[in-house]
Amino acid sequence: AQTVTQSQPEMSVQEAETVTLSCTYDTSENNYYLFWYKQPPSRQMILVIRQEAYKQQNATENRFSVNFQKAAKSFSLKISDSQLGDTAMYFCAFMSNNNNDMRFGAGTRLTVKP
Amino acid sequence: DSGVTQTPKHLITATGQRVTLRCSPRSGDLSVYWYQQSLDQGLQFLIQYYNGEERAKGNILERFSAQQFPDLHSELNLSSLELGDSALYFCASSVGGALKETQYFGPGTRLLVL
Repeated sequence: AQTVTQSQPEMSVQEAETVTLSCTYDTSENNYYLFWYKQPPSRQMILVIRQEAYKQQNATENRFSVNFQKAAKSFSLKISDSQLGDTAMYFCAFMSNNNNDMRFGAGTRLTVKP
Repeated sequence: DSGVTQTPKHLITATGQRVTLRCSPRSGDLSVYWYQQSLDQGLQFLIQYYNGEERAKGNILERFSAQQFPDLHSELNLSSLELGDSALYFCASSVGGALKETQYFGPGTRLLVL
């Protein structure tokens, strides 16, 4: 079974600085999808960014970018110019192209300090 | 606001009881997904419906069931409730039926079983 590991339970960063959240996963599949979701204090889940494993180019969405290392099975999220509104739990998620399941990591609680 | 609505926002009930959670997807979305977020298990995918038919099943207990109606809204039924069923239950929706599609999450229903 696929597993997703987020090794940083909590992180903090100063406003306007850059922070990187780590995620590793375990799979024998070749085609799959990876996601980062943000869960602010409101508890709603918000899609931050997604990456298709067959694409070599790292996905980017404004201040959010990923470093996807397929061989190392690593999928880190970089947040540039951190803002107070980025304070949230961040979940890494894996979805195989073959089976019908979505696996989440345990989450990283990010605090952006003024 | 993702466009996905869930009712009720909060629900308090007793062990052994049965509850129904309701979800209305975004306009035009045919798929509905249900997730459970608890302190013990983290975030888990439960089940997916696409255009009224069950499409994928995750870690859903036999005591739980779901359905999607012709107007595309969905209900998650939880029966013989146990203390451990206390969790935040999310509904998400997407346009098509593939799990890899971007899912838009609702605000969640917080269930407390006493």
